[in-house]
Amino acid sequence: AQSVAQPEDQVNVAEGNPLTVKCTYSVSGNPYLFWYVQYPNRGLQFLLKYITGDNLVKGSYGFEAEFNKSQTSFHLKKPSALVSDSALYFCAVSPAYSGNTGKLIFGQGTTLQVKP
Amino acid sequence: GAGVSQSPSNKVTEKGKDVELRCDPISGHTALYWYRQSLGQGLEFLIYFQGNSAPDKSGLPSDRFSAERTGGSVSTLTIQRTQQEDSAVYLCASSSSLGRAANTGELFFGEGSRLTVL
Repeated sequence: AQSVAQPEDQVNVAEGNPLTVKCTYSVSGNPYLFWYVQYPNRGLQFLLKYITGDNLVKGSYGFEAEFNKSQTSFHLKKPSALVSDSALYFCAVSPAYSGNTGKLIFGQGTTLQVKP
Repeated sequence: GAGVSQSPSNKVTEKGKDVELRCDPISGHTALYWYRQSLGQGLEFLIYFQGNSAPDKSGLPSDRFSAERTGGSVSTLTIQRTQQEDSAVYLCASSSSLGRAANTGELFFGEGSRLTVL
């Protein structure tokens, strides 16, 4: 079955430290990969995506993610966390068979807590 | 409008009642999606409209759920005979078929309609 796993329910980091939010996927073919962020009482916002090409993609607010095909991972990273980065982060996959539409498979979400 | 607009933002209903949730996508976006966000279930795809094509209803959990999109713009998600397990946040998203975001899953989400079934 197609799936996306975010193994950590919550990640805690101190402001100024690097952060990593993990994501692995189990999808056949060459999927498109995404990260979305949800701030409290708000809808989801697109952060970044991997389609093809360079395995390291850069997105909004200084975030980046690295696609690793052999490990089927797409971890979200940021060199220096801000308190304002505290939010719920979702990894998502658009399976190749879906025609690469917005019909996404989402992970369960990881709450990022950045403390001053 | 500037973004995806959903109404109502909150809806409390009694078990067995019907509810309608409305989504007004970004002007010019041809694709429209409904997702459901539940505690412990994450985000589930429900239904997808693309232009005048037949909708992809493969994510609807039961025949109590239906959706329509009139005039290629506004969409209504209807839940009949609501059950407590229908309690969730229903998110609508739209995307453009043109430009860099075309068919690449870059969705623009509304703030959601929180449904509580008592």
